[in-house]
Amino acid sequence: KAGVTQTPRYLIKTRGQQVTLSCSPISGHRSVSWYQQTPGQGLQFLFEYFSETQRNKGNFPGRFSGRQFSNSRSEMNVSTLELGDSALYLCASSPATGVRGELFFGEGSRLTVL
Amino acid sequence: AQKVTQAQTEISVVEKEDVTLDCVYETRDTTYYLFWYKQPPSGELVFLIRRNSFDEQNEISGRYSWNFQKSTSSFNFTITASQVVDSAVYFCALSGDNQGGKLIFGQGTELSVKP
Repeated sequence: KAGVTQTPRYLIKTRGQQVTLSCSPISGHRSVSWYQQTPGQGLQFLFEYFSETQRNKGNFPGRFSGRQFSNSRSEMNVSTLELGDSALYLCASSPATGVRGELFFGEGSRLTVL
Repeated sequence: AQKVTQAQTEISVVEKEDVTLDCVYETRDTTYYLFWYKQPPSGELVFLIRRNSFDEQNEISGRYSWNFQKSTSSFNFTITASQVVDSAVYFCALSGDNQGGKLIFGQGTELSVKP
């Protein structure tokens, strides 16, 4: 069974640009969550999608957005990039929302903003 | 507000030593869930265990064991006879009821097991 796949794995952008990250969940999983990991703030929840609807949102500015498609694949977008957006962005999937079981994480997309 | 504190930033042990990773949490929820995840250098977080707030029974899985004590709001993780492959960053996390995929993570403890 294929795991959670995130693309791209590494990318470099400059301030002011925007970026789109993609996440393909495990087959059959309908919930996708996104996390930002930085050395200073640690792991922080961005948002969760289930059946193409945002079910939960963390405390991030509106520059951070996401969506989920009918095949459960998800994308997150960051507009007007700032240096502080440099981070590892992790995607996690689970069979359904509201299930307090394990989340299955991808290896992340490492974003560097110059 | 919910909070998870892992006071140990880094721990270094020699192979075969036992090591305990501490986790203290804060929540006002009566129903909540506690987790431990392992993050190897490759980056992905690997699920280790989940406990709910109504189950204080300790758990053992091979060399891993977990001690959940509501009285002290702690959920500590012990690795017995540590191995080099245990070297990773370990995260404790908390989720409230109906929070779905939203976990509150501690800052993580980097464990280094030397041969």
